[in-house]
Amino acid sequence: DGGITQSPKYLFRKEGQNVTLSCEQNLNHDAMYWYRQDPGQGLRLIYYSQIVNDFQKGDIAEGYSVSREKKESFPLTVTSAQKNPTAFYLCASSIKEGYEQYFGPGTRLTVT
Amino acid sequence: AQKITQTQPGMFVQEKEAVTLDCTYDTSDPSYGLFWYKQPSSGEMIFLIYQGSYDQQNATEGRYSLNFQKARKSANLVISASQLGDSAMYFCAMREGPLNRDDKIIFGKGTRLHILP
Repeated sequence: DGGITQSPKYLFRKEGQNVTLSCEQNLNHDAMYWYRQDPGQGLRLIYYSQIVNDFQKGDIAEGYSVSREKKESFPLTVTSAQKNPTAFYLCASSIKEGYEQYFGPGTRLTVT
Repeated sequence: AQKITQTQPGMFVQEKEAVTLDCTYDTSDPSYGLFWYKQPSSGEMIFLIYQGSYDQQNATEGRYSLNFQKARKSANLVISASQLGDSAMYFCAMREGPLNRDDKIIFGKGTRLHILP
Protein backbone atom coordinates (compact mmCIF):
# COMPACT_ATOMS: atom_id res chain seq x y z
CA ASP A 1 0.00 0.00 0.00
CA GLY A 2 2.04 2.92 -1.32
CA GLY A 3 1.81 6.41 0.04
CA ILE A 4 3.28 9.21 2.06
CA THR A 5 3.26 9.28 5.83
CA GLN A 6 3.79 12.25 8.07
CA SER A 7 4.10 12.10 11.79
CA PRO A 8 2.88 13.23 14.13
CA LYS A 9 -0.49 14.64 13.05
CA TYR A 10 -0.46 17.25 15.83
CA LEU A 11 2.65 18.70 17.44
CA PHE A 12 2.98 21.19 20.27
CA ARG A 13 6.20 22.94 21.18
CA LYS A 14 7.42 25.80 23.30
CA GLU A 15 8.90 28.83 21.67
CA GLY A 16 12.66 28.58 21.26
CA GLN A 17 12.71 24.83 20.66
CA ASN A 18 13.65 23.19 17.41
CA VAL A 19 11.23 20.57 16.15
CA THR A 20 11.55 17.97 13.39
CA LEU A 21 8.64 16.85 11.24
CA SER A 22 8.83 13.44 9.65
CA CYS A 23 7.98 12.60 6.04
CA GLU A 24 8.37 9.13 4.51
CA GLN A 25 7.28 7.84 1.10
CA ASN A 26 7.31 4.37 -0.41
CA LEU A 27 6.30 5.43 -3.90
CA ASN A 28 9.87 5.33 -5.19
CA HIS A 29 9.57 9.00 -6.14
CA ASP A 30 12.68 11.03 -6.81
CA ALA A 31 11.30 14.44 -5.84
CA MET A 32 10.02 15.50 -2.42
CA TYR A 33 8.64 18.79 -1.15
CA TRP A 34 7.67 20.62 2.01
CA TYR A 35 4.87 23.18 2.01
CA ARG A 36 3.46 25.45 4.66
CA GLN A 37 -0.24 26.35 4.74
CA ASP A 38 -1.68 29.08 6.94
CA PRO A 39 -5.44 29.33 7.65
CA GLY A 40 -7.43 30.20 4.56
CA GLN A 41 -4.30 30.36 2.43
CA GLY A 42 -2.72 28.42 -0.37
CA LEU A 43 0.48 26.43 -0.19
CA ARG A 44 3.91 28.02 0.08
CA LEU A 45 6.99 26.01 -0.80
CA ILE A 46 9.62 25.72 1.93
CA TYR A 47 12.19 23.29 0.51
CA TYR A 48 12.32 20.68 -2.23
CA SER A 49 14.62 17.89 -3.23
CA GLN A 50 15.00 16.39 -6.68
CA ILE A 51 17.38 13.65 -5.67
CA VAL A 52 19.07 12.11 -2.65
CA ASN A 53 21.69 14.33 -0.95
CA ASP A 54 20.47 17.40 -2.80
CA PHE A 55 17.82 19.99 -1.93
CA GLN A 56 16.94 23.57 -2.79
CA LYS A 57 15.29 26.44 -0.98
CA GLY A 58 11.74 27.31 -1.86
CA ASP A 59 9.98 30.62 -1.38
CA ILE A 60 10.01 30.68 2.44
CA ALA A 61 13.08 28.67 3.56
CA GLU A 62 14.23 31.02 6.32
CA GLY A 63 14.07 29.37 9.73
CA TYR A 64 13.76 25.87 8.28
CA SER A 65 16.23 23.13 7.42
CA VAL A 66 15.96 19.76 5.67
CA SER A 67 18.01 16.70 4.83
CA ARG A 68 17.64 14.01 2.17
CA GLU A 69 19.92 11.16 3.17
CA LYS A 70 17.56 8.48 1.86
CA LYS A 71 15.21 8.49 -1.12
CA GLU A 72 12.28 7.63 1.12
CA SER A 73 12.78 10.28 3.76
CA PHE A 74 12.73 14.08 3.78
CA PRO A 75 12.51 15.42 7.36
CA LEU A 76 11.90 19.11 8.01
CA THR A 77 13.32 20.91 11.04
CA VAL A 78 11.57 24.05 12.20
CA THR A 79 14.21 26.02 14.04
CA SER A 80 13.84 28.66 16.71
CA ALA A 81 14.78 31.21 14.06
CA GLN A 82 11.40 30.77 12.35
CA LYS A 83 9.37 33.77 13.50
CA ASN A 84 5.85 32.33 13.10
CA PRO A 85 6.15 28.54 13.07
CA THR A 86 2.53 27.75 13.96
CA ALA A 87 1.02 26.36 10.75
CA PHE A 88 -0.07 23.25 8.86
CA TYR A 89 2.84 21.51 7.15
CA LEU A 90 2.38 19.28 4.13
CA CYS A 91 4.92 16.96 2.61
CA ALA A 92 4.59 15.78 -0.99
CA SER A 93 6.43 13.68 -3.53
CA SER A 94 6.40 13.24 -7.28
CA ILE A 95 8.08 10.88 -9.74
CA LYS A 96 10.24 13.78 -10.80
CA GLU A 97 9.89 17.51 -10.38
CA GLY A 98 7.09 18.97 -12.44
CA TYR A 99 4.87 15.90 -12.33
CA GLU A 100 1.72 15.64 -10.24
CA GLN A 101 2.48 15.63 -6.55
CA TYR A 102 1.07 13.26 -3.97
CA PHE A 103 0.65 14.54 -0.46
CA GLY A 104 0.85 13.20 3.04
CA PRO A 105 -1.85 13.85 5.65
CA GLY A 106 -0.01 16.85 7.09
CA THR A 107 1.29 17.89 10.52
CA ARG A 108 -0.34 20.70 12.43
CA LEU A 109 2.35 22.45 14.47
CA THR A 110 1.48 24.78 17.33
CA VAL A 111 4.21 26.77 19.03
CA THR A 112 3.39 28.72 22.18
CA ALA B 1 1.43 39.50 -10.84
CA GLN B 2 -0.19 36.31 -9.65
CA LYS B 3 0.58 33.27 -11.76
CA ILE B 4 -2.60 31.46 -10.74
CA THR B 5 -5.86 33.28 -9.96
CA GLN B 6 -8.90 31.69 -8.42
CA THR B 7 -11.50 34.42 -8.16
CA GLN B 8 -14.15 32.52 -6.21
CA PRO B 9 -13.19 32.35 -2.53
CA GLY B 10 -16.34 30.37 -1.75
CA MET B 11 -19.21 28.67 -3.57
CA PHE B 12 -22.46 27.07 -2.48
CA VAL B 13 -24.02 24.50 -4.80
CA GLN B 14 -27.02 22.22 -4.48
CA GLU B 15 -26.28 18.50 -4.41
CA LYS B 16 -26.48 16.78 -7.82
CA GLU B 17 -25.87 20.03 -9.72
CA ALA B 18 -22.76 20.55 -11.84
CA VAL B 19 -20.07 22.88 -10.49
CA THR B 20 -17.52 25.00 -12.31
CA LEU B 21 -14.53 26.27 -10.38
CA ASP B 22 -12.64 29.06 -12.12
CA CYS B 23 -8.91 29.24 -12.65
CA THR B 24 -6.90 31.62 -14.82
CA TYR B 25 -3.15 31.50 -15.21
CA ASP B 26 -0.39 33.72 -16.44
CA THR B 27 2.61 32.45 -18.35
CA SER B 28 4.54 33.31 -21.48
CA ASP B 29 6.02 29.82 -21.70
CA PRO B 30 4.36 27.81 -24.51
CA SER B 31 4.83 24.57 -22.59
CA TYR B 32 3.19 24.21 -19.20
CA GLY B 33 0.98 21.95 -17.14
CA LEU B 34 -2.14 22.61 -15.11
CA PHE B 35 -3.31 20.67 -12.07
CA TRP B 36 -6.31 20.60 -9.78
CA TYR B 37 -6.18 19.39 -6.19
CA LYS B 38 -8.89 18.82 -3.59
CA GLN B 39 -8.31 19.45 0.11
CA PRO B 40 -11.03 18.06 2.40
CA SER B 41 -11.32 19.25 5.99
CA SER B 42 -8.90 16.48 7.02
CA GLY B 43 -6.14 18.51 5.35
CA GLU B 44 -4.65 16.05 2.90
CA MET B 45 -4.27 17.33 -0.68
CA ILE B 46 -5.69 14.97 -3.29
CA PHE B 47 -4.59 15.16 -6.93
CA LEU B 48 -7.63 15.27 -9.24
CA ILE B 49 -6.68 16.02 -12.82
CA TYR B 50 -3.89 17.22 -15.11
CA GLN B 51 -3.87 19.12 -18.42
CA GLY B 52 -0.77 19.67 -20.52
CA SER B 53 -0.61 22.80 -22.66
CA TYR B 54 -0.19 20.76 -25.83
CA ASP B 55 -2.90 18.23 -25.04
CA GLN B 56 -5.46 18.27 -27.83
CA GLN B 57 -8.41 17.26 -25.71
CA ASN B 58 -9.72 18.46 -22.38
CA ALA B 59 -8.70 16.16 -19.56
CA THR B 60 -11.36 14.07 -17.83
CA GLU B 61 -11.23 11.82 -14.77
CA GLY B 62 -14.55 10.34 -13.75
CA ARG B 63 -16.82 13.19 -12.64
CA TYR B 64 -14.00 15.72 -13.05
CA SER B 65 -13.21 17.48 -16.29
CA LEU B 66 -10.98 20.39 -17.08
CA ASN B 67 -12.37 23.07 -19.38
CA PHE B 68 -9.12 24.22 -20.97
CA GLN B 69 -9.35 27.46 -22.98
CA LYS B 70 -5.80 28.20 -23.99
CA ALA B 71 -6.40 31.57 -25.65
CA ARG B 72 -8.14 32.82 -22.53
CA LYS B 73 -5.53 31.20 -20.25
CA SER B 74 -8.34 29.52 -18.41
CA ALA B 75 -8.42 26.05 -16.83
CA ASN B 76 -11.73 25.66 -15.06
CA LEU B 77 -12.57 22.49 -13.16
CA VAL B 78 -16.01 21.05 -13.81
CA ILE B 79 -17.51 18.58 -11.36
CA SER B 80 -20.58 16.82 -12.68
CA ALA B 81 -23.42 15.58 -10.46
CA SER B 82 -21.97 17.02 -7.26
CA GLN B 83 -22.04 15.02 -4.05
CA LEU B 84 -21.86 16.00 -0.40
CA GLY B 85 -18.36 14.54 -0.28
CA ASP B 86 -17.23 17.11 -2.83
CA SER B 87 -17.35 19.79 -0.14
CA ALA B 88 -13.73 20.84 0.21
CA MET B 89 -11.13 23.41 -0.74
CA TYR B 90 -10.00 23.18 -4.37
CA PHE B 91 -6.65 24.41 -5.61
CA CYS B 92 -5.56 25.11 -9.16
CA ALA B 93 -1.82 24.81 -9.83
CA MET B 94 0.59 25.29 -12.71
CA ARG B 95 3.98 24.00 -13.78
CA GLU B 96 5.47 26.76 -15.91
CA GLY B 97 7.65 24.99 -18.45
CA PRO B 98 8.03 21.54 -20.01
CA LEU B 99 8.29 18.42 -17.90
CA ASN B 100 12.00 17.88 -18.42
CA ARG B 101 12.95 21.33 -17.19
CA ASP B 102 12.19 20.54 -13.54
CA ASP B 103 10.07 23.62 -12.90
CA LYS B 104 8.24 23.97 -9.62
CA ILE B 105 4.47 23.84 -9.32
CA ILE B 106 2.75 27.05 -8.23
CA PHE B 107 -0.56 26.89 -6.36
CA GLY B 108 -3.47 29.29 -6.40
CA LYS B 109 -5.18 30.48 -3.20
CA GLY B 110 -8.07 28.06 -3.57
CA THR B 111 -11.87 28.02 -3.71
CA ARG B 112 -13.95 26.60 -0.90
CA LEU B 113 -16.86 24.57 -2.25
CA HIS B 114 -19.90 23.79 -0.12
CA ILE B 115 -22.38 21.21 -1.41
CA LEU B 116 -25.86 21.68 0.06
CA PRO B 117 -28.18 18.69 0.67
